[in-house]
Amino acid sequence: DAGVIQSPRHEVTEMGQEVTLRCKPISGHDYLFWYRQTMMRGLELLIYFNNNVPIDDSGMPEDRFSAKMPNASFSTLKIQPSEPRDSAVYFCASSPPTREQYFGPGTRLTVT
Amino acid sequence: KQEVTQIPAALSVPEGENLVLNCSFTDSAIYNLQWFRQDPGKGLTSLLLIQSSQREQTSGRLNASLDKSSGRSTLYIAASQPGDSATYLCAALYNDYKLSFGAGTTVTVRA
Repeated sequence: DAGVIQSPRHEVTEMGQEVTLRCKPISGHDYLFWYRQTMMRGLELLIYFNNNVPIDDSGMPEDRFSAKMPNASFSTLKIQPSEPRDSAVYFCASSPPTREQYFGPGTRLTVT
Repeated sequence: KQEVTQIPAALSVPEGENLVLNCSFTDSAIYNLQWFRQDPGKGLTSLLLIQSSQREQTSGRLNASLDKSSGRSTLYIAASQPGDSATYLCAALYNDYKLSFGAGTTVTVRA
């Protein structure tokens, strides 16, 4: 298996623009997680899905952030409008029923 | 709050020395504990997963122990190599499926 796939790997955008991050989980994994990593706050869980259904979005910082999982092989994290403080590395991870989490390579987002 | 602490924040050792990385967690009702490795600018690679019913897990030169009663886990890396230089993160999983991460220990192995 190719592992968790994320795109794009790097994104540079201007404040106010919409940003969409994409994730393809490992086939057969029924849990999908979105994390954000910054130097100041470390790794933070934003939202997670089970069988394509959002279970807990309490980590989503603001209404500007939204996430969807239309099917078992695809998820998006959208920021609209983006702000400089959203600059971070965003990771997607997936997990089988054993609950071991496998992380993607991340998307480095820079908002200027 | 379910807090995870890793001490020290950074560690530098000569090649060949054994590494001991510490992780402590405040809530002992964990489901499992996972150790990750992160290289600069890269994602997280899962190293070892210890279920709450287990005391240790081993993979090659890596051995991780878990003591729920004291809220501690330790990652041992035997005979360290320069390629082991990275940041090591521990994360505790609870029944709500949320991983609580430590801040990590950055390891440098000097050749």
